[in-house]
Amino acid sequence: DGGITQSPKYLFRKEGQNVTLSCEQNLNHDAMYWYRQDPGQGLRLIYYSQIVNDFQKGDIAEGYSVSREKKESFPLTVTSAQKNPTAFYLCASRGTGSYEQYFGPGTRLTVT
Amino acid sequence: AQSVTQLDSQVPVFEEAPVELRCNYSSSVSVYLFWYVQYPNQGLQLLLKYLSGSTLVKGINGFEAEFNKSQTSFHLRKPSVHISDTAEYFCAVKVAGNTPLVFGKGTRLSVIA
Repeated sequence: DGGITQSPKYLFRKEGQNVTLSCEQNLNHDAMYWYRQDPGQGLRLIYYSQIVNDFQKGDIAEGYSVSREKKESFPLTVTSAQKNPTAFYLCASRGTGSYEQYFGPGTRLTVT
Repeated sequence: AQSVTQLDSQVPVFEEAPVELRCNYSSSVSVYLFWYVQYPNQGLQLLLKYLSGSTLVKGINGFEAEFNKSQTSFHLRKPSVHISDTAEYFCAVKVAGNTPLVFGKGTRLSVIA
């Protein structure tokens, strides 16, 4: 089955720890995206990548980092510098020449 | 820069009644428009999209939307809703080029039996 996988579904961390969220796709899509979702806030763009080894900051990149070493993978690290990391994180991808984005199932991160 | 406004944060409606979820966008250039649906604790699923051509677009689950360029709107409609339509709905806009989608804040549709 083609699609986007995010793991784990739920993640719990203590304050002050960095944590990495996984996003893998087997759709052969070039572009990948990370969004953060908070209640009543919609989706806010954290980082995106159009091709391997290149990525751009989105609207709320502070406290986050990404890498794009392989076309299939776009992991997101939530660092201890992120003031309010508890949220639902969504990964998406888009094929070249296509307009719509396809989303993974999301990871709910809780930091206490 | 483009932006999206979803005018209603919550819409309650009785089962089998019609519903309209409103979406307005702002952009100085031509746009592509999308509606997504999100069920609790899940990712987003594409309902329908407008790229060009006919301004009335039909999507999955009996939903449709109409692109109105003069009013910069892309409202989502369904003539008769079901309990299973209870979800959050997001409108999104994209301009040409390698730009990400920009999302509205969402409308929570609650269908009441």
